[in-house]
Order: sequence, then C-alpha cells, then structure tokens
Amino acid sequence: GAVVSQHPSRVICKSGTSVKIECRSLDFQATTMFWYRQFPKQSLMLMATSNEGSKATYEQGVEKDKFLINHASLTLSTLTVTSAHPEDSSFYICSARDDDGGWGTGELFFGEGSRLTVL
Amino acid sequence: DQQVKQNSPSLSVQEGRISILNCDYTNSMFDYFLWYKKYPAEGPTFLISISSIKDKNEDGRFTVFLNKSAKHLSLHIVPSQPGDSAVYFCAATFRNSGNTPLVFGKGTRLSVIA
Repeated sequence: GAVVSQHPSRVICKSGTSVKIECRSLDFQATTMFWYRQFPKQSLMLMATSNEGSKATYEQGVEKDKFLINHASLTLSTLTVTSAHPEDSSFYICSARDDDGGWGTGELFFGEGSRLTVL
Repeated sequence: DQQVKQNSPSLSVQEGRISILNCDYTNSMFDYFLWYKKYPAEGPTFLISISSIKDKNEDGRFTVFLNKSAKHLSLHIVPSQPGDSAVYFCAATFRNSGNTPLVFGKGTRLSVIA
C-alpha cells in the first residue's frame, strides 16, 4: 500500500535552534499534504495545508513565520520549526493524499510522526 | 468549537466482547467519515470509512454506523482482541470540496483485557 515516510522520528534540540521535518510520499504523488500536531492526550490538530508549488495555508492561530512549510515537489513537504522553544515540543504528523486516488478507501496516508523535544 | 467530538476518553472491554466507540459531529456539511487507529509514537492508520449516503459499512470485525439525523457515528469491533488496544480517532471531511483536510475528534483509548 501507499507509504508516507517522515523523518526524523525523534529530535531533541536546544531552545532557539531550528528543526526541519521531512514528509515524503514514497510511491505516489501528492499535490497536497497536511501537517498535524498532537499534544499528549489531545487530538490531532491541523496546522497547515501544504500545496506543491504554492504557499501553504495555515490554520488560525498557527504562526506561519514560525512553522515554515515548503512543498517543493510532488513527493516532498518539509516543516521547519524556527527558533524552537520548549512549548513547541510535540508530536508532529504529516499526511498526504494520493493525487490519483479518491475518497473511496480513505486515501489520506499518514507518516509515522516526529517527536520534537525542545530543551 | 470542536466539530468532531469523542466524549469518552477511554473504554475498557473484555476480550471477545463488543467494543463500541462513539463519535458526534456538529457540521451537517460533513459527507465522509473515517476511523483511524493510533499506537503511541506512530502515525494514525486508516481503519474504515463511511459516506453520508450510507448508514452502515462493514469490514471484517469492524462496522461503522452513521445516523445523520443525530449527527452520530459509532465504530463496533466484534469480537474485540487485545491487539485492538489503541487510541481510535473519528474524523470527518467534505469529500466533494477539493483537497480538504480531516477534522479529528480527541480520540478514545480502547483497552481490551484478556
């Protein structure tokens, strides 16, 4: 089946540094990818919609200058957490939709997630 | 304003019995609903979905029921197995509105006791 690979799975960084998380669709093309964030015991909260070749669409309350999203190709989207602070520590998950798929079988595939810990 | 609600944060069920996970939504424009299963430190995996034109969809041990008038759906797992222990997320979307994301509930942690 379709696979979405997310890297790194875990990252620990110092406060003030920037961290980049990659999301790749391995065997399908994805014009659109979604970035979610999950705090402990909370739901998956949509942060932004990443569109290949254009600017990402951010959800209300998400700082676009802090969470930089780049979707440079049909198989890769990156999320960069800039000047990370301890409150940015969370589990970040990307998802991608197969451009050739439909909604018939729920073709929104998720990456494995990235655990960010900011010290 | 939470559009998709899972009011039970946790559920414990004996192995072999039925697990029923509930989900309510507020936006009547949602036309496609999905259930995802999630283990700790992993991304969600798709379980089963249902279109708003149906009221039931079955796949092996998993059945999803949709009551549009009540804006309620439920996931039934029969029989429950210890490997089903995970967090289950209900999600909704507007299928015919282009590339829209999923709106998730807060999840229900299911524990199947052997």
